Amino acid sequence: EVKLVESGGGLVQPGRSLKLSCAASGFSFNDYWMGWVRQAPGKGLEWIGEINQDSSTINYTPSLKDKFTISRDNAQNTLYLQMSKLGSEDTAIYYCAREGIYGPMDAWGQGASVTVSS
Amino acid sequence: DVVLTQTPVSLSVTLGDQASISCRSSQSLEYSDGYTYLEWYLQKPGQSPQLLIYEVSNRFSGVPDRFIGSGSGTDFTLKISRVEPEDLGVYYCFQATHDPYTFGAGTKLELK
Repeated sequence: EVKLVESGGGLVQPGRSLKLSCAASGFSFNDYWMGWVRQAPGKGLEWIGEINQDSSTINYTPSLKDKFTISRDNAQNTLYLQMSKLGSEDTAIYYCAREGIYGPMDAWGQGASVTVSS
Repeated sequence: DVVLTQTPVSLSVTLGDQASISCRSSQSLEYSDGYTYLEWYLQKPGQSPQLLIYEVSNRFSGVPDRFIGSGSGTDFTLKISRVEPEDLGVYYCFQATHDPYTFGAGTKLELK
């Protein structure tokens, strides 16, 4: 069974940093692109970015490129999202997703909740 | 960035009815390889999104055949024939043709 489990969420003060993890199991992690999507409270989905199998290609939505860094550790079957200079606008549920054979996000984690507040 | 405009914003249906959701793109979504990377996702209440349709009209594994995706270029449609209770939630279109990838704002499917 394909499983993605996010962790590392919580309450963080404005201006601080936070790193989310996404532990993958049930598939060959190093064969797939992976991505992150977020959802602010009561809002729609926002694509954050993606990373290819060997981390040689990482794409971001431009508005988050200077604040967020996507990385992965294939030995640990884990995807990461490093977030810096957090503001209230970054309060959201953060989902990791696997990009399937034809590219679409065919498996999703349960999400990690991040609240940015003093 | 590509803007995806979904209509309607919300849709009230009776179980067993057909539902239709439109997704219009600000640019053609046909990629240089000839494929069109337009996808549909459903987010049921309290759940993570799930993939329904990829490349305009291909149903993902396990998705019932009452979900039908169609369209080309800039105009796309998701039709749900014979709506069932488990179909309720918010539907999002998503394009992976142009960087950065973008979602539509969502269409909420609810019971009348």
